[in-house]
Amino acid sequence: GAVVSQHPSRVICKSGTSVKIECRSLDFQATTMFWYRQFPKQSLMLMATSNEGSKATYEQGVEKDKFLINHASLTLSTLTVTSAHPEDSSFYICSASSLTSGSPYEQFFGPGTRLTVL
Amino acid sequence: QKEVEQNSGPLSVPEGAIASLNCTYSDRGSQSFFWYRQYSGKSPELIMFIYSNGDKEDGRFTAQLNKASQYVSLLIRDSQPSDSATYLCAVRRYSTLTFGKGTMLLVSP
Repeated sequence: GAVVSQHPSRVICKSGTSVKIECRSLDFQATTMFWYRQFPKQSLMLMATSNEGSKATYEQGVEKDKFLINHASLTLSTLTVTSAHPEDSSFYICSASSLTSGSPYEQFFGPGTRLTVL
Repeated sequence: QKEVEQNSGPLSVPEGAIASLNCTYSDRGSQSFFWYRQYSGKSPELIMFIYSNGDKEDGRFTAQLNKASQYVSLLIRDSQPSDSATYLCAVRRYSTLTFGKGTMLLVSP
């Protein structure tokens, strides 16, 4: 159980365009979803935390107008990178947790989305 | 600022040996501690977690926690070439996970 999917797995876009990444919990209801970004040979850096039906909480230094997060249901969160630039090229990973599960603080990770901005 | 420190490696061990991975953390309020394995280009996979001082064993893996020293380690017994990956240490406080940069492990046949 506890499967999280992401779509797309890879995306290449032109500078200035917007890209939407979907994160879905397939077999459980995710009360909280997390978005991370990982640059090569770096750690996962938390970008934002979102609870279903409420606004996301962004980490310091993450522009909320550039990285739009929507958590409209208990199984879906989306991250939209607006006006993407080459420096936004990275590996974006979502995770999900459920307060109603046996491990309320365990995060289940999606497979990640590789974004390349040309 | 909450920090999680790991030696970047690579740590090279021969097949069948014990690999020892270490992690220190700065936040004394950390509540539980996780080890993830990450293959190149993939997302992290949970190996195990620990929240009490002492040792916790799961198959070939043993996690050790010493909260007084703010130190957590992972031992991998009978290392296999398929264990070659980057191992991420993460600490949790409430719902937030903070990750270290990871240690690359190379297991040679």
